[in-house]
Amino acid sequence: AQTVTQSQPEMSVQEAETVTLSCTYDTSESDYYLFWYKQPPSRQMILVIRQEAYKQQNATENRFSVNFQKAAKSFSLKISDSQLGDAAMYFCAYSWVGRDDKIIFGKGTRLHILP
Amino acid sequence: EAGVTQFPSHSVIEKGQTVTLRCDPISGHDNLYWYRRVMGKEIKFLLHFVKESKQDESGMPNNRFLAERTGGTYSTLKVQPAELEDSGVYFCASSRWGGETQYFGPGTRLLVL
Repeated sequence: AQTVTQSQPEMSVQEAETVTLSCTYDTSESDYYLFWYKQPPSRQMILVIRQEAYKQQNATENRFSVNFQKAAKSFSLKISDSQLGDAAMYFCAYSWVGRDDKIIFGKGTRLHILP
Repeated sequence: EAGVTQFPSHSVIEKGQTVTLRCDPISGHDNLYWYRRVMGKEIKFLLHFVKESKQDESGMPNNRFLAERTGGTYSTLKVQPAELEDSGVYFCASSRWGGETQYFGPGTRLLVL
């Protein structure tokens, strides 16, 4: 069965610093998507970044980038120049390609930004 | 463009009562998903609609849960009768077609006492 593991329940980072959130996953599939979703306090979950497994190049979105290691089944999120608005719960997630669309989520990492 | 909306935002009910949650997807999105996060656990998939048809309901926990999407627009998720373990946050998401990014609503926080 596919699983997603986030080993860091909480993390803190100083404003303007860089932080990396860890995620590992387990699957026997070769083609799949990986995601990082962000849920700020009392607000809805939004997609931060998406990676297709067949693409070797790591996805980036402004200050957010991933380190996708397919062989190691690792998918970490790096946030550069952390801002107060980055404080949120971050979920790593997985879904298959070409089959059902359900997303498998990790338990989440709560990120605190220290001013 | 309006996002996914859910109603109510919070619901507190007693064990044995019935609760109906509503989700309005983004206009034009044929795919609608329900997920649930029980306290301290992962967000888990419940079911997937394509228009008004249930594509996958493998995540529905038991027959106390009934989801509908009449007319292929908004969806309702009814829990009857509610049990203590049903407490959690119920999320709805929608996408234009399968495999595309799913856009999530703010969730409904359900507390069963």
